[in-house]
Amino acid sequence: EVQLVESGGGLVQPGRSLRLSCAASGFTFDDYAMHWVRQAPGKGLEWVSGISWNSGSIGYADSVKGRFTISRDNAKNSLYLQMNSLRAEDTALYYCATSKTVVLTPAYFDYWGQGTLVTVSS
Amino acid sequence: DIQMTQSPSSLSASVGDRVTITCQASQDISNYLNWYQQKPGKAPKLLIYDASNLETGVPSRFSGSGSGTDFTFTISSLQPEDIATYYCQQYDNLPGFGPGTKVDIK
Repeated sequence: EVQLVESGGGLVQPGRSLRLSCAASGFTFDDYAMHWVRQAPGKGLEWVSGISWNSGSIGYADSVKGRFTISRDNAKNSLYLQMNSLRAEDTALYYCATSKTVVLTPAYFDYWGQGTLVTVSS
Repeated sequence: DIQMTQSPSSLSASVGDRVTITCQASQDISNYLNWYQQKPGKAPKLLIYDASNLETGVPSRFSGSGSGTDFTFTISSLQPEDIATYYCQQYDNLPGFGPGTKVDIK
């Protein structure tokens, strides 16, 4: 059974940093590209970042470019999101999701975790 | 950047009704379009990929069509368990979602 478990969320002050993790199991991790998608409270889905199977291709939404860094460790079946210079508008539930391709696009988010909540507030 | 619009933003329909949601892209995205269902408090679920392909295990009352800039998502006979918000998502370059359509029962 595919499982994605996010962790690392919490309350953080504006301007500070946070690192999210996603532990994957139940599938061959390095057969899939991985993505982060977020959802602000009561709002829609926003794609944040994605990474190909071998980290050779990486993409970011304009809203996080230069502040967030995605990475993966295939030996540990783990995905990460380093979030720096956090802003109030980054407050959201952050999901990790698989894409049933090895490359960044096409992107089909076929498995999702349950999300980890990030709240940016003073 | 490619902008996605969806209409309507919400709708109410009766059980058994045919429900149609449209999604429009700001430029030609071929068939690079997926549809998701999100129930309250749950993660989204992939229903349709590449505009018209039904994901494994998804009931056949769900369907999708379209190409280029205009896409349609249809529930042929609305069921109570279909109450959810539906999102389109393009992947022409980097991925992006539409704003969502909330569906509930009249």
